[in-house]
Amino acid sequence: KAGVTQTPRYLIKTRGQQVTLSCSPISGHRSVSWYQQTPGQGLQFLFEYFSETQRNKGNFPGRFSGRQFSNSRSEMNVSTLELGDSALYLCASSLGDSPDGTQYFGPGTRLLVL
Amino acid sequence: AQKITQTQPGMFVQEKEAVTLDCTYDTSDPSYGLFWYKQPSSGEMIFLIYQGSYDQQNATEGRYSLNFQKARKSANLVISASQLGDSAMYFCAMRNHYTGRRALTFGSGTRLQVQP
Repeated sequence: KAGVTQTPRYLIKTRGQQVTLSCSPISGHRSVSWYQQTPGQGLQFLFEYFSETQRNKGNFPGRFSGRQFSNSRSEMNVSTLELGDSALYLCASSLGDSPDGTQYFGPGTRLLVL
Repeated sequence: AQKITQTQPGMFVQEKEAVTLDCTYDTSDPSYGLFWYKQPSSGEMIFLIYQGSYDQQNATEGRYSLNFQKARKSANLVISASQLGDSAMYFCAMRNHYTGRRALTFGSGTRLQVQP
């Protein structure tokens, strides 16, 4: 079974631009979560989606948004990019809504904001 | 609030030896899960092992075992017979079992280097 895929893998943007990252979960998985990883802040939770509904949101400004489609694929969007948004963005999927469900991560998208 | 603490920024171990990576946690929720992930330099987070708060036995997965001491709020990862390919960052994470607080909270990680 194919793992979690994320596109693009690498991205370079300039301040003020916006960016959309895509995540395709493992086949059959309905829950998708997004995390941001930076050297300074470590791994921080962004959002969690289940069946096209946002179930949980981390402490990030409104410039960060996301959505999930009926096929469970998810996108996250960052508008008005800032230098501090440079990070590895990781997507994770889990099978269902079970609270002890293991999250399986994709390879991540490395975003560099210049 | 929940918190994960990993006090070892870096660890060295000789190939074929065992190594323990420390993890302590803090939560007020009675039901939670503890996870360990490995992150090679490529960036992908690889799931290693899971321990539920009500599990009576310590979890094991091949060369990985979790030394779970609930009263001390610790969940140390033990890697037996280390291999060169084990060199990576290791993250301890927690997920509470109540709706609305099910996001993974990660520790700061431990960089393990396996020496030949």
